[in-house]
Amino acid sequence: DTGVSQNPRHKITKRGQNVTFRCDPISEHNRLYWYRQTLGQGPEFLTYFQNEAQLEKSRLLSDRFSAERPKGSFSTLEIQRTEQGDSAMYLCASSPGGVSEQYFGPGTRLTVT
Amino acid sequence: AQTVTQSQPEMSVQEAETVTLSCTYDTSESDYYLFWYKQPPSRQMILVIRQEAYKQQNATENRFSVNFQKAAKSFSLKISDSQLGDAAMYFCARWGGGADGLTFGKGTHLIIQP
Repeated sequence: DTGVSQNPRHKITKRGQNVTFRCDPISEHNRLYWYRQTLGQGPEFLTYFQNEAQLEKSRLLSDRFSAERPKGSFSTLEIQRTEQGDSAMYLCASSPGGVSEQYFGPGTRLTVT
Repeated sequence: AQTVTQSQPEMSVQEAETVTLSCTYDTSESDYYLFWYKQPPSRQMILVIRQEAYKQQNATENRFSVNFQKAAKSFSLKISDSQLGDAAMYFCARWGGGADGLTFGKGTHLIIQP
């Protein structure tokens, strides 16, 4: 399977704990995006990487959130001191650049209890 | 702010019939891209169709076509000969082409009645 993969698919954590999600984009896609989708809403943009450089961050990405893409390959999204409001589906997407479409992964569903 | 509005939370259509999903958007840019994505239950989002704003011709992909009205900032999706596999959430999205991500609407839940 050469699509975008995300791990874990589901994560249940207690409030105050740290969590980390991983996204593996399609090989050779230099653009990588993170989105958050809450129930009944469309995805909301969080951050964008071109290769290893994080070029854009949404105001939704509070100080408790950090994302990395070392070596321009996979990416991680970490949430520190989770809150119940962080419960959502976290989606990753990649594209080969230019004006190409974004290809989405299956998402990581986070539940904060 | 760039916004995308889908005014139909839910639509229902009989199998083999035609249905149109509405989308309007707000943008200050002259060049941008519009998309319809499909998100089946518990499955990942996939692209249905895309439209470049500089193209006057409406995009078509098999049973899916759009009605793009740039002046009205309207971008509706028509699904012809609806099939059971078309049942899903449909999201309209706009992209400026730069470092920003897609801006999505809230989605329309499409139900196909057999």
